[in-house]
Amino acid sequence: DAKTTQPPSMDCAEGRAANLPCNHSTISGNEYVYWYRQIHSQGPQYIIHGLKNNETNEMASLIITEDRKSSTLILPHATLRDTAVYYCIVRVDGSSNTGKLIFGQGTTLQVKP
Amino acid sequence: EAQVTQNPRYLITVTGKKLTVTCSQNMNHEYMSWYRQDPGLGLRQIYYSMNVEVTDKGDVPEGYKVSRKEKRNFPLILESPSPNQTSLYFCASKWGSTQTQYFGPGTRLLVL
Repeated sequence: DAKTTQPPSMDCAEGRAANLPCNHSTISGNEYVYWYRQIHSQGPQYIIHGLKNNETNEMASLIITEDRKSSTLILPHATLRDTAVYYCIVRVDGSSNTGKLIFGQGTTLQVKP
Repeated sequence: EAQVTQNPRYLITVTGKKLTVTCSQNMNHEYMSWYRQDPGLGLRQIYYSMNVEVTDKGDVPEGYKVSRKEKRNFPLILESPSPNQTSLYFCASKWGSTQTQYFGPGTRLLVL
């Protein structure tokens, strides 16, 4: 699985968009980009994932660069409840793998009033 | 509501006293796994199960046992807990080949 690099921390004003970057320069063609978050000691929560096209759901948008070496998670209108650690994970989908998610250090997003 | 539940949520025990942390999911997922989370070490996989009666070791299986007798349940067993198993434990489940996993709320364990 490709390694990911994220900034350790970011701040965002409440109501503004939060843009969280992730570098995955060694990603291979069949690896997906997944984003999870963990709100203080709660169970990690799935946010969104994508392969090469941009994706949007009710929680966030995922922008993947054309060369797939980096991506950005966008929370369009951040609220105080979005304060959490955000993890970018690169994984191959497949029923034969261990299903292990490798959570790096992630980005601690602090949403401020 | 689709969910993964864990019990107990908090547990204080003493060294050597066997304990079981239960995990249950109501989404008919084949895959379930256990992680532990420790400061500075992140989440590490303990055991996982691809389906009923199929289990395998993760990265840190020592001191733990699991069983998968039915699809919805995946208990984590500590036969003889030690202080280095003090941690925050999470159960997770998923369907098929996706990596969209659902995590339980966590069990905070303190072994004295």
